Amino acid sequence: GQNIDQPTEMTATEGAIVQINCTYQTSGFNGLFWYQQHAGEAPTFLSYNVLDGLEEKGRFSSFLSRSKGYSYLLLKELQMKDSASYLCAVRGYQAGTALIFGKGTTLSVSS
Amino acid sequence: GAGVSQSPSNKVTEKGKDVELRCDPISGHTALYWYRQSLGQGLEFLIYFQGNSAPDKSGLPSDRFSAERTGGSVSTLTIQRTQQEDSAVYLCASSLLDNEQFFGPGTRLTVL
Repeated sequence: GQNIDQPTEMTATEGAIVQINCTYQTSGFNGLFWYQQHAGEAPTFLSYNVLDGLEEKGRFSSFLSRSKGYSYLLLKELQMKDSASYLCAVRGYQAGTALIFGKGTTLSVSS
Repeated sequence: GAGVSQSPSNKVTEKGKDVELRCDPISGHTALYWYRQSLGQGLEFLIYFQGNSAPDKSGLPSDRFSAERTGGSVSTLTIQRTQQEDSAVYLCASSLLDNEQFFGPGTRLTVL
C-alpha cells in the first residue's frame, strides 16, 4: 500500500530551527515534494528532492534518503508567518503523475 | 492568467443535488489534477489529465464523480447526487510535464 507519515503538530519559537520529518512507503518513487499551506489557502510549492541529499533554498532545506524512505524539511530562523501546515508528498513511478500526500504537519510559531 | 483559478470559491448544496466545479489551469500546462481535502485529512487524489491521453480516474471515490477537460485547458468536476460525505475542499492543480504542481485556491463544498 501507499503510506506517508508525518507528525500531526509541532510548536516552535521565533528565531528557532525546526525539523519536520516524513517517512514514506509507496509502490514507486519519482520524487518527493514539500508544500506549505496556510489556513484557508492553496498549498504552495517549497521544495523537491529526487536524489539523496540536501537541497537548500534560503531559510528552508529539504533532505532525502531513498534507501530509508525518509525526508525532512528544515526551517531556520523561524518567523511568525511560518505558522502553517507543511505537506509531504511523493510522486509515484512516473513523472507527471499525481502526488500522494501525507496528512500534513501543523506548525505553530510563537514569539 | 497568473495562476490556477477555480470557481465557485464556495458551494453549498442540498443532499441529492448535482454540482459542477470548474478549474482554469495555468496557460500552457499540459497536466491537470483534481484533489480533495477533507477536515483533518491529507489531500486525496481524484483524477489526472495529461495532454490528449486518457485520464487517470483511479482516485475517483464512486461513479457519482466524473470530470472532463475540454480543449486541453478548462476542466469541470461533476458530482452527482451529492452526499454529506462529499463535503470537502476540492483543489485543482496544473503542471508542466514533471515540474511542481501549482494549486488553485480550491472550492469549499458543503452538502447539507
